[in-house]
Amino acid sequence: ETGVTQTPRHLVMGMTNKKSLKCEQHLGHNAMYWYKQSAKKPLELMFVYSLEERVENNSVPSRFSPECPNSSHLFLHLHTLQPEDSALYLCASSHKKGVGSGNTIYFGEGSWLTVV
Amino acid sequence: AQTVTQSQPEMSVQEAETVTLSCTYDTSESDYYLFWYKQPPSRQMILVIRQEAYKQQNATENRFSVNFQKAAKSFSLKISDSQLGDAAMYFCAYRAPQGGSEKLVFGKGTKLTVNP
Repeated sequence: ETGVTQTPRHLVMGMTNKKSLKCEQHLGHNAMYWYKQSAKKPLELMFVYSLEERVENNSVPSRFSPECPNSSHLFLHLHTLQPEDSALYLCASSHKKGVGSGNTIYFGEGSWLTVV
Repeated sequence: AQTVTQSQPEMSVQEAETVTLSCTYDTSESDYYLFWYKQPPSRQMILVIRQEAYKQQNATENRFSVNFQKAAKSFSLKISDSQLGDAAMYFCAYRAPQGGSEKLVFGKGTKLTVNP
């Protein structure tokens, strides 16, 4: 069992759909992340939230919209996606950088997204 | 910018034997964190081992150990007594110290096959 839970595990959506990915962490962390993992590419950091405030946005298109309502939950709202957005989306959490746990980031099991 | 290089796209090892996965990185920082993550077919990213750059002693976790050569910017992972369950993608990752980017920089990964 993982301390970081992602739902849904698999999602198929059309290019005009609106859907959301959900992440919940049970580790008492206060920083959360979205990573994208595409075939044959290194993992790419998308967004970072620290103490519920977005602290990094790595040039992610606006069709991806993150939301962090509290330190335990993180959403990724998806709208008007393209087929090239099909990938594994990994959520992760950690203590705020510099605080405890050796700065280790813990990952969820990922959400497989297919855009058709 | 920090980069992480894994020069071995694929490796194989016989069950019960030892294998070493290579990783080099580039940074101008003197203090940082290095990680090895394992990603089995389930796709969850699992922390294998962590090394703080200020510690000279190499980290060990049961059958997993690292050879950390700070001057050479090398961080290899040794898996002893390999088991079938060790088969996975292995990612080397770097994280900057306090302050600066929250980013965890990953290498492209090494696919490890364990032969019975």
